[in-house]
Amino acid sequence: RKEVEQDPGPFNVPEGATVAFNCTYSNSASQSFFWYRQDCRKEPKLLMSVYSSGNEDGRFTAQLNRASQYISLLIRDSKLSDSATYLCAATWGGYQKVTFGTGTKLQVIP
Amino acid sequence: SQTIHQWPATLVQPVGSPLSLECTVEGTSNPNLYWYRQAAGRGLQLLFYSVGIGQISSEVPQNLSASRPQDRQFILSSKKLLLSDSGFYLCAWRGTDNSPLHFGNGTRLTVT
Repeated sequence: RKEVEQDPGPFNVPEGATVAFNCTYSNSASQSFFWYRQDCRKEPKLLMSVYSSGNEDGRFTAQLNRASQYISLLIRDSKLSDSATYLCAATWGGYQKVTFGTGTKLQVIP
Repeated sequence: SQTIHQWPATLVQPVGSPLSLECTVEGTSNPNLYWYRQAAGRGLQLLFYSVGIGQISSEVPQNLSASRPQDRQFILSSKKLLLSDSGFYLCAWRGTDNSPLHFGNGTRLTVT
C-alpha cells in the first residue's frame, strides 16, 4: 500500500464551482500534513499546511481526519488560475521523511 | 529570508556518464535537506534526505548517491547514468519538525 494516495483525476470543473480532493495516508504516526500546488514543468509550491482543527486560507480549506487517516482540500469559487496538480504530503519516520501523493489534476474550464 | 538554489536547470547526458547536481540553501542553518525525483507524469519519489552534515538517509537503492559536505549544501551524484535516471530532480529544505518543505526550481535531466 502506498504511504500517501490520491485520486489522479483529472477533475474538470466549471469556473465558480466548488471542488474537493481527498488524500489518504497509511502511517498513523504521521504528524504533519501539507497541500502543494504544482504547475506544469514547475516545482511544487506550498499551498497550505493542514492543522488538526482544520484551517482556511481565502477560498481554500484544509481538513484533517486522523481517525480515518485522510486529509482534504476544498476549493471554493474555482478560478481558471486554479488549474494545476495538487499534491498532498505527510511526514513520518520520526517526522524527517516527507512523502507525497501522486497528485490530483484540476482543470477549471470557462 | 530563506532561499534555495539548484543548478543546472536542464541537463542532457549520455548513458554511462557521471552526474553531479548541487543545491544550496541560504538564510537558515541546520536545515533538513531532501532530493526527490519526478518521472514524466508521475509523483514525487523521495531519493535521499539529510538531517545534518555527513548524515544521509537513502530511500531507494539505485545508482545514485548523495552527500552533504557543508551544512547548507546537498549534492546528488551518479557514477554512471541509466536511461531510467531521466526525470525532474528537485532539492528541498525544511526547518523545524512541523514545517513544510520548500523546493528549488528543479533540474530536468534527460539521459540519452
